[in-house]
This record gives sequence, C-alpha cells and structure tokens, in this order.
Amino acid sequence: RKEVEQDPGPFNVPEGATVAFNCTYSNSASQSFFWYRQDCRKEPKLLMSVYSSGNEDGRFTAQLNRASQYISLLIRDSKLSDSATYLCVVTRGSGTYKYIFGTGTRLKVLA
Amino acid sequence: GAGVSQSPSNKVTEKGKDVELRCDPISGHTALYWYRQSLGQGLEFLIYFQGNSAPDKSGLPSDRFSAERTGGSVSTLTIQRTQQEDSAVYLCASSRRSLAGGGVTDTQYFGPGTRLTVL
Repeated sequence: RKEVEQDPGPFNVPEGATVAFNCTYSNSASQSFFWYRQDCRKEPKLLMSVYSSGNEDGRFTAQLNRASQYISLLIRDSKLSDSATYLCVVTRGSGTYKYIFGTGTRLKVLA
Repeated sequence: GAGVSQSPSNKVTEKGKDVELRCDPISGHTALYWYRQSLGQGLEFLIYFQGNSAPDKSGLPSDRFSAERTGGSVSTLTIQRTQQEDSAVYLCASSRRSLAGGGVTDTQYFGPGTRLTVL
C-alpha cells in the first residue's frame, strides 16, 4: 500500500462547479498535511496547509480526518485557472521534515 | 521577496558525463531539500539538509549521486557518470519551521527545477 494515495483523475468539471478530492495516508503518526498545486511542467506551489480544525481560504476548504486517515480539498465555484494537478502531502511520522507526496489528482475545469 | 532559484533550468548531457545542479534557497530558510520528478510520476525525496546537522541522504538512489550545502545556503547536487534513467526534473525546496494552526509546521517552497536529459 502506498503511504499517500490519491485518485489520479482526471476530474473534468464545468466552470462554477464544486469539486472535492480525497487523499488517504497510511502512517497514523503523520503530523503535518498540505495541499500543493502543480501546473504542467512547473514546480509544486503550496495551496494550503491542512489543520486539525479544518481551514478555508476563499473558494478552497481543507479538512483532516485523523480517525479515518484522510484529508480532503473542496473547491467551490471552479475557475478555468483551477485546472492543475493537486498534490496531497503528508509528513512521515514524527520526522516532520520528510514530506511524502501523493502522485496527484488532475483537475480540468471546462468552459 | 526572492524565491528559491535553481540553475541551469535545462541540462542536456551525454551518458557517462558528470553534471552539477545548483540551488539557492530562500534567505533565512535553514532547511533545504532535493527531489526528483520523472515524467508523470510523483516527487521522490533525495536528500535533506538542516542547518549544521548531518544531511539525511537516505533518498539518494545510488553512490553516483551526492550533494553539498556550503555555508548553510547554496547547495549543489552532483550526478556522476549519468545514465539515461537519471533523466528527470530535479527540484529543490527550502523551508523554515514555524508555528501555525496550533502546531509546528515546516512548509516547503520549491524552485522552478532543472530539467535533466541524458542522451
């Protein structure tokens, strides 16, 4: 089983739609969680950290469920510019520096 | 402010040659990471530097790979006797530990990467 698993997609959604991605992780000792966005042939960029209480940044909402070991990302009112690959990132246990990346979920927002 | 920079942006080399890839982290960031991303694949951890501590080299795929970080800032990743399977994008990231969301977090910021092609 992979340490971090994501549905690769692609998720094809119309502009204005709401879309949600889940990511599961296997190490119950993982401490920090993030969503990164990666555009084609570009470097990953931090989208948002995921806090235990859940957090929201504009149209984006991230949730953490420690009991079931998954994190989620909800995008409301999708824009064409949201088209990208979304990477789930989890730290490996107590070694907080070691990021484990999922292979990403590809989103295409269609006009 | 200035982000993480990497050079060169592209490198084409012949099999068997040595290459050096450079990373300039964000000023004030004590941690520096190297990753590799092959086409259509996830990021693969290579090596981690934190301050003056011994680096974590556990991700280096073979002894042809080595990295240095001089003066706690700039880092160089060296690949000796390159092979075709070394072709990938090599990404550098830096971070500074901070408090957020009720805990300690270590958010990494990535450079644009070096695209290495071994012919």
